[in-house]
Amino acid sequence: TQLLEQSPQFLSIQEGENLTVYCNSSSVFSSLQWYRQEPGEGPVLLVTVVTGGEVKKLKRLTFQFGDARKDSSLHITAAQPGDTGLYLCAGAPLIEAGNNRKLIWGLGTSLAVNP
Amino acid sequence: DVKVTQSSRYLVKRTGEKVFLECVQDMDHENMFWYRQDPGLGLRLIYFSYDVKMKEKGDIPEGYSVSREKKERFSLILESASTNQTSMYLCASSFAGRGLSPLHFGNGTRLTVT
Repeated sequence: TQLLEQSPQFLSIQEGENLTVYCNSSSVFSSLQWYRQEPGEGPVLLVTVVTGGEVKKLKRLTFQFGDARKDSSLHITAAQPGDTGLYLCAGAPLIEAGNNRKLIWGLGTSLAVNP
Repeated sequence: DVKVTQSSRYLVKRTGEKVFLECVQDMDHENMFWYRQDPGLGLRLIYFSYDVKMKEKGDIPEGYSVSREKKERFSLILESASTNQTSMYLCASSFAGRGLSPLHFGNGTRLTVT
Protein backbone atom coordinates (compact mmCIF):
# COMPACT_ATOMS: atom_id res chain seq x y z
CA THR A 1 0.00 0.00 0.00
CA GLN A 2 1.39 3.36 -0.98
CA LEU A 3 1.44 6.00 1.70
CA LEU A 4 2.20 9.69 1.78
CA GLU A 5 3.42 10.99 5.10
CA GLN A 6 3.13 14.69 5.80
CA SER A 7 5.08 16.52 8.47
CA PRO A 8 4.62 18.34 10.65
CA GLN A 9 1.03 17.50 11.41
CA PHE A 10 0.43 20.87 13.09
CA LEU A 11 2.32 24.15 12.83
CA SER A 12 1.60 27.44 14.60
CA ILE A 13 3.84 30.37 13.71
CA GLN A 14 3.94 34.14 13.82
CA GLU A 15 3.33 36.33 10.83
CA GLY A 16 6.55 36.92 8.90
CA GLU A 17 8.20 33.59 9.72
CA ASN A 18 9.29 31.07 7.12
CA LEU A 19 8.22 27.43 7.17
CA THR A 20 8.62 24.17 5.27
CA VAL A 21 6.12 21.34 5.03
CA TYR A 22 7.14 17.88 3.86
CA CYS A 23 5.41 15.10 1.98
CA ASN A 24 7.33 11.81 1.93
CA SER A 25 6.86 8.31 0.58
CA SER A 26 8.87 5.18 -0.08
CA SER A 27 7.05 4.85 -3.42
CA VAL A 28 7.56 6.67 -6.68
CA PHE A 29 4.80 8.89 -8.02
CA SER A 30 4.24 10.02 -11.59
CA SER A 31 3.17 13.43 -10.33
CA LEU A 32 2.12 15.13 -7.14
CA GLN A 33 -0.34 17.85 -6.27
CA TRP A 34 -0.58 20.27 -3.36
CA TYR A 35 -3.95 21.56 -2.16
CA ARG A 36 -4.92 24.09 0.50
CA GLN A 37 -8.15 23.76 2.43
CA GLU A 38 -9.47 26.72 4.39
CA PRO A 39 -11.93 26.19 7.25
CA GLY A 40 -15.44 25.46 5.96
CA GLU A 41 -14.34 25.01 2.37
CA GLY A 42 -13.16 22.26 0.06
CA PRO A 43 -9.49 21.82 -0.93
CA VAL A 44 -8.20 24.04 -3.72
CA LEU A 45 -5.33 23.04 -5.98
CA LEU A 46 -2.13 25.06 -5.54
CA VAL A 47 0.25 23.26 -7.88
CA THR A 48 1.03 20.05 -9.77
CA VAL A 49 4.65 18.87 -10.05
CA VAL A 50 5.57 16.26 -12.61
CA THR A 51 9.32 16.13 -13.22
CA GLY A 52 11.86 14.91 -10.66
CA GLY A 53 13.74 17.90 -9.24
CA GLU A 54 11.10 20.33 -10.46
CA VAL A 55 10.70 23.59 -8.56
CA LYS A 56 7.59 25.74 -8.93
CA LYS A 57 6.91 29.10 -7.35
CA LEU A 58 3.55 30.63 -6.56
CA LYS A 59 4.18 34.07 -5.04
CA ARG A 60 5.63 33.32 -1.59
CA LEU A 61 5.13 29.56 -1.93
CA THR A 62 7.89 27.35 -3.38
CA PHE A 63 7.17 23.73 -4.25
CA GLN A 64 9.79 21.12 -4.98
CA PHE A 65 9.45 17.56 -6.27
CA GLY A 66 12.25 15.24 -5.18
CA ASP A 67 14.71 13.96 -7.76
CA ALA A 68 13.44 10.41 -7.28
CA ARG A 69 9.79 11.55 -7.30
CA LYS A 70 9.20 10.05 -3.87
CA ASP A 71 8.90 13.25 -1.88
CA SER A 72 7.95 16.89 -2.11
CA SER A 73 8.23 20.03 -0.02
CA LEU A 74 6.34 23.28 0.28
CA HIS A 75 8.21 26.33 1.57
CA ILE A 76 6.38 29.50 2.55
CA THR A 77 8.35 32.71 2.90
CA ALA A 78 7.15 35.46 5.22
CA ALA A 79 3.94 33.69 6.18
CA GLN A 80 0.76 35.75 6.47
CA PRO A 81 -2.50 35.04 8.33
CA GLY A 82 -4.13 34.39 4.95
CA ASP A 83 -1.87 31.33 4.58
CA THR A 84 -3.70 29.65 7.46
CA GLY A 85 -5.27 26.36 6.41
CA LEU A 86 -4.78 22.65 5.90
CA TYR A 87 -2.13 21.79 3.32
CA LEU A 88 -2.65 18.46 1.60
CA CYS A 89 -0.39 16.58 -0.79
CA ALA A 90 -1.75 13.98 -3.20
CA GLY A 91 0.31 11.66 -5.39
CA ALA A 92 -0.57 9.80 -8.57
CA PRO A 93 0.90 6.28 -8.52
CA LEU A 94 3.16 5.36 -11.45
CA ILE A 95 0.85 2.68 -12.73
CA GLU A 96 -2.02 5.15 -12.78
CA ALA A 97 -0.18 8.06 -14.38
CA GLY A 98 -2.60 10.83 -15.23
CA ASN A 99 -5.43 9.14 -13.43
CA ASN A 100 -6.64 11.12 -10.48
CA ARG A 101 -9.13 8.51 -9.40
CA LYS A 102 -6.30 6.64 -7.73
CA LEU A 103 -4.73 9.58 -5.92
CA ILE A 104 -2.93 8.81 -2.67
CA TRP A 105 -3.58 11.52 -0.09
CA GLY A 106 -1.44 12.67 2.80
CA LEU A 107 -3.19 13.45 6.11
CA GLY A 108 -2.30 17.11 5.84
CA THR A 109 -0.42 19.81 7.72
CA SER A 110 -2.61 22.22 9.65
CA LEU A 111 -0.97 25.66 9.57
CA ALA A 112 -1.95 28.58 11.77
CA VAL A 113 -0.28 31.93 11.12
CA ASN A 114 -0.84 34.32 14.00
CA PRO A 115 -0.86 38.09 13.42
CA ASP B 1 -14.60 29.49 -12.56
CA VAL B 2 -15.50 25.87 -12.03
CA LYS B 3 -18.26 25.47 -9.57
CA VAL B 4 -19.04 22.32 -7.64
CA THR B 5 -22.14 22.75 -5.57
CA GLN B 6 -23.21 20.46 -2.75
CA SER B 7 -26.84 20.71 -1.83
CA SER B 8 -26.45 20.99 1.94
CA ARG B 9 -23.73 22.40 4.19
CA TYR B 10 -25.08 20.70 7.32
CA LEU B 11 -27.33 17.69 7.76
CA VAL B 12 -28.55 15.92 10.89
CA LYS B 13 -30.12 12.51 10.39
CA ARG B 14 -31.23 9.67 12.59
CA THR B 15 -29.76 6.18 12.60
CA GLY B 16 -31.44 4.00 9.98
CA GLU B 17 -32.59 6.86 7.76
CA LYS B 18 -31.86 6.86 4.04
CA VAL B 19 -29.75 9.91 3.25
CA PHE B 20 -29.16 11.57 -0.12
CA LEU B 21 -26.23 13.92 -0.72
CA GLU B 22 -26.34 15.79 -4.01
CA CYS B 23 -23.52 17.31 -6.01
CA VAL B 24 -23.67 19.35 -9.22
CA GLN B 25 -20.77 20.64 -11.34
CA ASP B 26 -21.01 23.17 -14.14
CA MET B 27 -17.82 22.50 -16.15
CA ASP B 28 -18.78 19.43 -18.16
CA HIS B 29 -16.24 17.30 -16.26
CA GLU B 30 -16.24 13.60 -17.03
CA ASN B 31 -15.01 12.50 -13.61
CA MET B 32 -16.84 12.96 -10.33
CA PHE B 33 -15.85 11.77 -6.87
CA TRP B 34 -17.23 11.39 -3.38
CA TYR B 35 -14.78 11.58 -0.47
CA ARG B 36 -15.22 11.63 3.27
CA GLN B 37 -12.83 13.57 5.48
CA ASP B 38 -12.23 12.62 9.09
CA PRO B 39 -9.63 13.91 11.58
CA GLY B 40 -6.62 11.64 11.65
CA LEU B 41 -7.82 9.66 8.63
CA GLY B 42 -7.61 12.30 5.92
CA LEU B 43 -9.48 12.12 2.64
CA ARG B 44 -10.83 8.71 1.72
CA LEU B 45 -12.45 7.94 -1.61
CA ILE B 46 -15.92 6.41 -1.37
CA TYR B 47 -16.96 6.21 -5.03
CA PHE B 48 -15.84 7.52 -8.38
CA SER B 49 -17.71 7.98 -11.65
CA TYR B 50 -16.04 8.49 -15.03
CA ASP B 51 -19.17 8.77 -17.13
CA VAL B 52 -22.94 8.82 -16.91
CA LYS B 53 -24.23 5.63 -15.29
CA MET B 54 -20.64 4.42 -14.72
CA LYS B 55 -19.17 4.04 -11.26
CA GLU B 56 -16.24 2.47 -9.47
CA LYS B 57 -15.82 1.64 -5.83
CA GLY B 58 -13.24 3.60 -3.96
CA ASP B 59 -11.48 2.61 -0.77
CA ILE B 60 -14.48 2.65 1.58
CA PRO B 61 -17.70 1.94 -0.38
CA GLU B 62 -19.44 -0.17 2.28
CA GLY B 63 -22.73 1.35 3.39
CA TYR B 64 -22.87 3.74 0.45
CA SER B 65 -24.18 3.75 -3.09
CA VAL B 66 -24.07 6.36 -5.85
CA SER B 67 -26.10 7.48 -8.81
CA ARG B 68 -25.05 9.39 -11.91
CA GLU B 69 -27.97 9.79 -14.28
CA LYS B 70 -26.75 13.06 -15.78
CA LYS B 71 -23.19 14.17 -16.46
CA GLU B 72 -23.37 17.17 -14.15
CA ARG B 73 -24.93 15.45 -11.14
CA PHE B 74 -23.50 12.81 -8.80
CA SER B 75 -25.47 11.62 -5.81
CA LEU B 76 -24.23 9.77 -2.74
CA ILE B 77 -26.74 7.58 -0.94
CA LEU B 78 -26.45 6.25 2.57
CA GLU B 79 -28.85 3.32 2.50
CA SER B 80 -29.28 3.12 6.27
CA ALA B 81 -27.35 5.82 8.08
CA SER B 82 -25.20 4.79 11.04
CA THR B 83 -23.35 6.86 13.62
CA ASN B 84 -19.98 5.88 12.13
CA GLN B 85 -21.00 7.69 8.96
CA THR B 86 -20.92 11.01 10.79
CA SER B 87 -18.34 12.90 8.78
CA MET B 88 -17.53 15.69 6.35
CA TYR B 89 -18.46 14.62 2.82
CA LEU B 90 -16.69 16.25 -0.11
CA CYS B 91 -17.69 16.02 -3.75
CA ALA B 92 -15.12 16.72 -6.49
CA SER B 93 -14.95 16.75 -10.27
CA SER B 94 -12.22 16.78 -12.90
CA PHE B 95 -11.56 16.37 -16.59
CA ALA B 96 -10.52 12.96 -17.84
CA GLY B 97 -7.66 12.44 -20.28
CA ARG B 98 -3.89 12.64 -20.29
CA GLY B 99 -2.07 14.20 -17.40
CA LEU B 100 -3.13 14.72 -13.82
CA SER B 101 -5.95 17.23 -13.99
CA PRO B 102 -6.97 19.27 -10.95
CA LEU B 103 -9.73 18.10 -8.68
CA HIS B 104 -12.35 20.79 -8.06
CA PHE B 105 -14.08 20.35 -4.73
CA GLY B 106 -17.36 21.52 -3.33
CA ASN B 107 -17.50 23.12 0.12
CA GLY B 108 -18.59 19.92 1.78
CA THR B 109 -21.59 18.57 3.65
CA ARG B 110 -21.12 17.99 7.36
CA LEU B 111 -23.36 15.06 8.20
CA THR B 112 -24.22 14.12 11.76
CA VAL B 113 -26.01 10.83 12.38
CA THR B 114 -27.59 10.55 15.82
